[in-house]
Amino acid sequence: DQQVKQNSPSLSVQEGRISILNCDYTNSMFDYFLWYKKYPAEGPTFLISISSIKDKNEDGRFTVFLNKSAKHLSLHIVPSQPGDSAVYFCAASVSGGYNKLIFGAGTRLAVHP
Amino acid sequence: DTGVSQDPRHKITKRGQNVTFRCDPISEHNRLYWYRQTLGQGPEFLTYFQNEAQLEKSRLLSDRFSAERPKGSFSTLEIQRTEQGDSAMYLCASSTGTGYSGANVLTFGAGSRLTVL
Repeated sequence: DQQVKQNSPSLSVQEGRISILNCDYTNSMFDYFLWYKKYPAEGPTFLISISSIKDKNEDGRFTVFLNKSAKHLSLHIVPSQPGDSAVYFCAASVSGGYNKLIFGAGTRLAVHP
Repeated sequence: DTGVSQDPRHKITKRGQNVTFRCDPISEHNRLYWYRQTLGQGPEFLTYFQNEAQLEKSRLLSDRFSAERPKGSFSTLEIQRTEQGDSAMYLCASSTGTGYSGANVLTFGAGSRLTVL
């Protein structure tokens, strides 16, 4: 039972354009959502998060949008840079318990000059 | 603060051997998690410690797997009688457990890659 789904295994974007990564979830108990970035041979690194009481959170070039009714969130990167090339994981948790994160399978982003 | 440290970074072993991985979390973090990641998949939750107490274990954690956090600081993950299906990246993460974002944001180590021949 995959509770967090990232249906696009890969995405290719030109430098300077917008990258949009999508994520869907099935568990309505999730109330905190995170995006992690992973480079080869490194562990996942926290990028940005959003709680269920918000529908948007912005941090520099990165914006996460949450649509609770659709159980869908997206990460927008504007403008995309070659250094953004990595695997991006969407994760979700239920606050107040053990806060374990449930991850999607990831989307590999390639930003071309 | 050097972040979450994991050792060894790489381990190659023969089927049937035992292996042990160590994780040193960020010093002030009382919550510690182990995850496993296989090729093309996201990290999968294995187990969770709050201080020295192991509070949750995934069904993925078979009887051959055991994890400890004896003094609420570092943690070890042991796999006995390894099988080829155990080949994966084993990730450790920690968090403060306090505050809304502090509890929810996990800091990961670089992982220990296991190859079982």
